[in-house]
Amino acid sequence: GDSVTQMEGPVTLSEEAFLTINCTYTATGYPSLFWYVQYPGEGLQLLLKATKADDKGSNKGFEATYRKETTSFHLEKGSVQVSDSAVYFCATGGATNKLIFGTGTLLAVQP
Amino acid sequence: DAGVIQSPRHEVTEMGQEVTLRCKPISGHDYLFWYRQTMMRGLELLIYFNNNVPIDDSGMPEDRFSAKMPNASFSTLKIQPSEPRDSAVYFCASSLAPVRGTDTQYFGPGTRLTVL
Repeated sequence: GDSVTQMEGPVTLSEEAFLTINCTYTATGYPSLFWYVQYPGEGLQLLLKATKADDKGSNKGFEATYRKETTSFHLEKGSVQVSDSAVYFCATGGATNKLIFGTGTLLAVQP
Repeated sequence: DAGVIQSPRHEVTEMGQEVTLRCKPISGHDYLFWYRQTMMRGLELLIYFNNNVPIDDSGMPEDRFSAKMPNASFSTLKIQPSEPRDSAVYFCASSLAPVRGTDTQYFGPGTRLTVL
């Protein structure tokens, strides 16, 4: 079945460092791909998405490119801030209407 | 729009008691999802509805769990009887009619359930 694998956390960075959180997926067909973010004590919020191969999703300085050849959707940001500290979830919308989430990666940014 | 509304935000109960969690989806959304989040199991989809009809309840852990959606603006998730292992954060989410998962799900703030 469809699945998502993302890198284990926690990821600890200093402010203004470069961020990469890896995500790979297995799915039938051509799924949409998502990154959601969960701030402490809150629900998940959509950060960005891509609906077809080679699409780049971007929001708030974060980017991810849908790579069909490597079945990946890695999240990147050039310069992280303390306010980016949160849990990041990669997800795929597969053959059904359900979203399949990864296990989440905790990002801690230190000033 | 107020977003997805869940109540209560926190619930503490004793083992064996009935627990009812409530959700009001975003107006106009056709799909409603119930998730459970724990440290051990991560985020799990329990059940989802389309136009008030349950479509897939394969994630409901056992018969103690039940969910209803009597109308387009209200859903409940009930646990009877509750057990300590049910302690988790329960999220409700809603979306417009998604086509093969392409549409965005909007999450509520969650209900933190503690069963003593």
